[in-house]
Amino acid sequence: EDQVTQSPEALRLQEGESSSLNCSYTVSGLRGLFWYRQDPGKGPEFLFTLYSAGEEKEKERLKATLTKKESFLHITAPKPEDSATYLCAVRIQGAQKLVFGQGTRLTINP
Amino acid sequence: EAQVTQNPRYLITVTGKKLTVTCSQNMNHEYMSWYRQDPGLGLRQIYYSMNVEVTDKGDVPEGYKVSRKEKRNFPLILESPSPNQTSLYFCASRDQRNTGELFFGEGSRLTVL
Repeated sequence: EDQVTQSPEALRLQEGESSSLNCSYTVSGLRGLFWYRQDPGKGPEFLFTLYSAGEEKEKERLKATLTKKESFLHITAPKPEDSATYLCAVRIQGAQKLVFGQGTRLTINP
Repeated sequence: EAQVTQNPRYLITVTGKKLTVTCSQNMNHEYMSWYRQDPGLGLRQIYYSMNVEVTDKGDVPEGYKVSRKEKRNFPLILESPSPNQTSLYFCASRDQRNTGELFFGEGSRLTVL
């Protein structure tokens, strides 16, 4: 069964304290891995797409990387405004949907 | 401004009373989809549509109907809501050529008593 697992479920950091969020997946045929950010009371907002192992994408303090089994979302020197739930999703070959992980709730304390 | 608009944002209803959640997008996207988000289960796809008059089931379609008569609109219909359909619902759209950059609405929180 296609599965996406994110860890940790929740992470609390101090402002400026760098860390990484993990997304591991077991799918039959990966057509892309996607990261979204979701703020409370809002819909998910697209961040990155990764297609192949070794690929990296960056945006401000966020950097996403991909291996054959997992993806990491690295956050460098985070600020309180980076607090949100980060969702990982995969597109499977032949499927018209994204399979989402349960998310990591990130809190950055000032 | 590019957006996906859902209505209502909040609704409390009773078992068996038919309701419709509307979804409209202004980006001329071919693909539209409905997801529900539940604690511990994440986002799960209910139905999707590749274009006008083309719809298909997602992972959790039971108890729901959809229609796609116009490109911009994709309403979600609950013919006879039950308490297990209490959830947060999201409509999303994307360009046909783009595999994963979904644009989501703000969500509709539905409570069925």
